[in-house]
Amino acid sequence: EDKVVQSPLSLVVHEGDTVTLNCSYEVTNFRSLLWYKQEKKAPTFLFMLTSSGIEKKSGRLSSILDKKELFSILNITATQTGDSAVYLCAVEAGGNEKLTFGTGTRLTIIP
Amino acid sequence: AAGVIQSPRHLIKEKRETATLKCYPIPRHDTVYWYQQGPGQDPQFLISFYEKMQSDKGSIPDRFSAQQFSDYHSELNMSSLELGDSALYFCASSLTDLNTEAFFGQGTRLTVV
Repeated sequence: EDKVVQSPLSLVVHEGDTVTLNCSYEVTNFRSLLWYKQEKKAPTFLFMLTSSGIEKKSGRLSSILDKKELFSILNITATQTGDSAVYLCAVEAGGNEKLTFGTGTRLTIIP
Repeated sequence: AAGVIQSPRHLIKEKRETATLKCYPIPRHDTVYWYQQGPGQDPQFLISFYEKMQSDKGSIPDRFSAQQFSDYHSELNMSSLELGDSALYFCASSLTDLNTEAFFGQGTRLTVV
């Protein structure tokens, strides 16, 4: 059974801090790993990672995948209150395209 | 740009009733996924369709069924509703042949009373 584990479950930091969110996975026939940000609505897409060691960057957010150690990290620098959300990691695997989600990391940024 | 459209946005039903949720994917997307997200939980995969054929099935109860129509929109039919079916139901779509990421709709919040 495909498994995606995120840590920490919850994180509270002050504005301006840098945070690192972790996602590890055990799946058969890995295809891609995706990060989503979920506020009080649908998950919004952040990154899609398919290759090891290639950092994807968007503003203050960046992410990298390690296919050997089966994990990914999502970094957010200079955090802002608008970054407060649940960050979901999902893995696409197998011969189909379904996504298996982790339980998410709830990030809270304190002004 | 057009996004994934779900309707209705909110739905309140009584136990044992039937509900139908609709999903209109992004134009040209050929794959639709349905997810159920309970309060404080991560989305759970229910079912997916590729080119109008069921491509994968997850933890979808037998009381639920779904289909994808010729215009690629999809409907999730839920019968004999139970209190535990109360959740946010997301639909996502992607263009499988190009291995694009899945884009989510805003979800339908179903409350069973």
